[in-house]
Amino acid sequence: EAAVTQSPRNKVAVTGGKVTLSCNQTNNHNNMYWYRQDTGHGLRLIHYSYGAGSTEKGDIPDGYKASRPSQENFSLILELATPSQTSVYFCASGPGLDNYAEQFFGPGTRLTVL
Amino acid sequence: AQRVTQVQPTGSSQWGEEVTLDCSYETSEYFYRIFWYRQLFSGEMVFLIYQPSFDTQNQRSGRYSVVFQKSFKSISLVISASQPEDSGTYFCALSELITNTGKLTFGDGTVLTVKP
Repeated sequence: EAAVTQSPRNKVAVTGGKVTLSCNQTNNHNNMYWYRQDTGHGLRLIHYSYGAGSTEKGDIPDGYKASRPSQENFSLILELATPSQTSVYFCASGPGLDNYAEQFFGPGTRLTVL
Repeated sequence: AQRVTQVQPTGSSQWGEEVTLDCSYETSEYFYRIFWYRQLFSGEMVFLIYQPSFDTQNQRSGRYSVVFQKSFKSISLVISASQPEDSGTYFCALSELITNTGKLTFGDGTVLTVKP
């Protein structure tokens, strides 16, 4: 069974602080993705990765960095968190060999920036 | 630019009824896929079905099927024999082959309530 896990599940941060969201997948998928979902809206792509050591900008990368130290792990980093980054963040993995294939999503991390 | 629109913010049905959820999209590419996901009340995203652009046959998976109108850039998700457990938010998402990233562009979703 494909599995994507995220930590923490909930996070409260202060404006200007550094936040790191972590994602782990046991699917042995090449591709990993970070999305954010604002209330009442669909998911939007922040960063993605094709494999260990690679990170690429998605549609809304400003204010975010990403790190892919291994096949299994993909982190999203907010160096200077702002209230506008309050959202639910989803990590996903996809096979990569077939970029058409469905993505498997983690349970989400609810981030509140005060 | 790619864009996905779900014009029905909400929908409802009675137990056992067939439900249709609509989605339209914009793309200039020939090869793409349209995915349907359901978001549970917990937030979990569950993959339901996808339609490749090059396949003229409407896809089916269990109680889910799609009506694909490529020339209109429109696709509908059809849920047969709806059940209260089908309640949740349904998202349509576009993936273009040309970008070769697997990136998904989502609509804003339709919140479905199935009444017992």
